[in-house]
Amino acid sequence: GDSVTQMEGPVTLSEEAFLTINCTYTATGYPSLFWYVQYPGEGLQLLLKATKADDKGSNKGFEATYRKETTSFHLEKGSVQVSDSAVYFCALSRTGFQKLVFGTGTRLLVSP
Amino acid sequence: DTGVSQDPRHKITKRGQNVTFRCDPISEHNRLYWYRQTLGQGPEFLTYFQNEAQLEKSRLLSDRFSAERPKGSFSTLEIQRTEQGDSAMYLCASSSLEGRGEETQYFGPGTRLLVL
Repeated sequence: GDSVTQMEGPVTLSEEAFLTINCTYTATGYPSLFWYVQYPGEGLQLLLKATKADDKGSNKGFEATYRKETTSFHLEKGSVQVSDSAVYFCALSRTGFQKLVFGTGTRLLVSP
Repeated sequence: DTGVSQDPRHKITKRGQNVTFRCDPISEHNRLYWYRQTLGQGPEFLTYFQNEAQLEKSRLLSDRFSAERPKGSFSTLEIQRTEQGDSAMYLCASSSLEGRGEETQYFGPGTRLLVL
């Protein structure tokens, strides 16, 4: 079945450091890929998405590129801030199969 | 756009009691989803509605769980005879179809359930 694998956390960085959170997926066909962010005690917020191979999703300085050949959708940001501290979830959905399939999440901790 | 809202935000109950949660989706969205998230895990799909029709249920949704969306607007999720293992965050999401059959789900803040 469909699955998403994320790098384990926590990822601990200093402010202004470069961020990469790895995400790989297994799915038949061409899924849509998403990154959601969850701040403490809150629900999930859509961060960015990509719907076809080589698409790049971007938002708030974060970006991720849909790589069909490596089945990956790694999240990157050039300079993290303390306010980016949260849990980040990679997810996929397939057309005709409405549910989202999530990874286990990666906690990011950014210190001043 | 007021976003997806859920009520209550927190619920503490005793084992064996029944609880009901409500979700109000984004007004123009015809699809509504329920997910469950346990500590340290990603959300897991429970069930899905298109308008008032419940089209898919996960095997995670035991017979103690029931969900309704009577008029295709808000939805309720009821858990009967709660067990400690039901303690989790219950998330609701809504969406509508975009071009090429794509969709993006928008989540509410969740209802955190603690069963004592």
